[in-house]
Amino acid sequence: KQEVTQIPAALSVPEGENLVLNCSFTDSAIYNLQWFRQDPGKGLTSLLLIQSSQREQTSGRLNASLDKSSGRSTLYIAASQPGDSATYLCAVINDYKLSFGAGTTVTVRA
Amino acid sequence: EAGVAQSPRYKIIEKRQSVAFWCNPISGHATLYWYQQILGQGPKLLIQFQNNGVVDDSQLPKDRFSAERLKGVDSTLKIQPAKLEDSAVYLCASSPLVSRASTDTQYFGPGTRLTVL
Repeated sequence: KQEVTQIPAALSVPEGENLVLNCSFTDSAIYNLQWFRQDPGKGLTSLLLIQSSQREQTSGRLNASLDKSSGRSTLYIAASQPGDSATYLCAVINDYKLSFGAGTTVTVRA
Repeated sequence: EAGVAQSPRYKIIEKRQSVAFWCNPISGHATLYWYQQILGQGPKLLIQFQNNGVVDDSQLPKDRFSAERLKGVDSTLKIQPAKLEDSAVYLCASSPLVSRASTDTQYFGPGTRLTVL
């Protein structure tokens, strides 16, 4: 059974600081890994999807890396802004299923 | 393009009562998912439909939960009878198709927050 862990559970940083969010998974036989953002009272929004053959994906200030062999992914958010405050979830995809971590709740202080 | 719609947004019931949630996926999306998200945890897949057939319901507590997707479009998820531990956000998601690689992202609705007293 796939287990996905995200550390830390919560993070508070001043505006402008770079964010580093970690995700680890136990079964490296994944097809893809996806990072989501969840705002209070709202659904999940997909941020980045990394296919298993890729090592990273970038979108604007966001960069996600994937190391399948070690079962790790890292999401970097450059120059954080108060609007980046949210919960960030990673999910791995294998056998048609998304398995989610519990998320990292980020607070960016103005 | 309209997103995934869910109703109601909030529901409070007493234990042993029944409740139903509704989901309308993005037009043309063949695959529909129901997730349960307990506070402080990531979403857990309850059931996955492709068109109106069930692909995976291995984590659905079938003694109390049921789901259907009539005509391959809208879906309803029902709980009867509800227990205290069913308090959670129920998320519906849809995607254009399902494949083992699943390169198509899933689009999530806003969820229904259920409180069981």
